[in-house]
Formats: sequence, C-alpha cells, structure tokens
Amino acid sequence: GNSVTQMEGPVTLSEEAFLTINCTYTATGYPSLFWYVQYPGEGLQLLLKATKADDKGSNKGFEATYRKETTSFHLEKGSVQVSDSAVYFCALSDNYGQNFVFGPGTRLSVLP
Amino acid sequence: EAQVTQNPRYLITVTGKKLTVTCSQNMNHEYMSWYRQDPGLGLRQIYYSMNVEVTDKGDVPEGYKVSRKEKRNFPLILESPSPNQTSLYFCASSIRDNSPLHFGNGTRLTVT
Repeated sequence: GNSVTQMEGPVTLSEEAFLTINCTYTATGYPSLFWYVQYPGEGLQLLLKATKADDKGSNKGFEATYRKETTSFHLEKGSVQVSDSAVYFCALSDNYGQNFVFGPGTRLSVLP
Repeated sequence: EAQVTQNPRYLITVTGKKLTVTCSQNMNHEYMSWYRQDPGLGLRQIYYSMNVEVTDKGDVPEGYKVSRKEKRNFPLILESPSPNQTSLYFCASSIRDNSPLHFGNGTRLTVT
C-alpha cells in the first residue's frame, strides 16, 4: 500500500536558520503530494501541494518539489522564524483521492 | 466563515459507554473523512465518505461507525469505546476527491 516516511524530529533551529524536512513516499501511479502544518491546539492546515512530477509547491517562504525519480517531496525554508514552530506533516493522496496517507509528523522548534 | 466544526473538543468517558463525535462543514464539500492522531503514528484514516450515503473503511475502521445522511454532517460513532481508542480525532472535508483537506480543530477523547 501507499506510505509516507519523514524525519520525525524534533528539529530545533535558531531563528533565520535554513530548514529541510525530508519526506519520501511509496505509491502506485501518480499521487498528489502535500505538506500540512499543525499549530498547538489546532487542526492541520494545508501549507503547500504539488500534483505532478517536477511541480514546485510554495507558500509563506516554504517550498517543496515533487521528485518522482527519487520519490521525494522535501520541505525547505531559507530563513525560519519563531512563528514557524509547529508540527509538519507530509502526505499523499492516491489517484482517486480516496485515501490520504500521512507521515508521522516532524516537530519543529525555532528559538529566538 | 468556511469551516469544519467538531464537537466536543474534549471528552472523557468510560469503557463501553456509547458516544458520538459530531462533524459539520459549511463548504458544500462532497468528500469527508475521519482520522485519529497518535504519537509517532501520524494521522490514520478511520472512515471516509465520497458523498451522501456513500461511506467506506479507511485504514483503522475497527470499533467505529459513521453515517452520511446529509452532505454537511459526518458523525463518528463509538458503540462500545475501549481504552485503545483514546486518541486525538480529526474530521476533514474537501470539495472533491484528491483536493486538499480542510480540518476541524480536533476532539481529544479519553476512555478509562
């Protein structure tokens, strides 16, 4: 079946540091890929998405590129802020959108 | 305001006492689903619904029931809760399959 693997963390960075959270997936066909963010006490919010190979999703300074050859969708940000502290989930949905599969989440803490 | 509303936010109950967690969305979304979030496991799908009167099992359906009598509502029913169902539950919806999910704020359930 489909699966998503991501670094579990926690990841602790200083403000303005570079962020990478690795995500790899296993899926048949051509899934859509997502990054969601969860702030304390809240539900998940869509951060960015990519629906086909080589697409780059971006939002709020975060970026991720759909790499089919390496089955990866790594999340990056050039300069993190304290307000980026949250849990980040990589996810995929299959061709038919019937089954979203999430990674275990990566907790990011950004220190001032 | 477009939103997914879950109730209650917190629930403590005892083994075997039937309970229902409600979920309602005001975006006219066709697709709705339930997830449970456990440490180290990420989100796992319990049930999903592609439209009214159309529901199907996700990855961890045992011990749960759902119904979709109206487009906006998708309640999660635990007929006989057990301690291993202690978890954080999220309802989500999307305009159609394979579109990004909109999440509720979660229901933290404790079964003693």
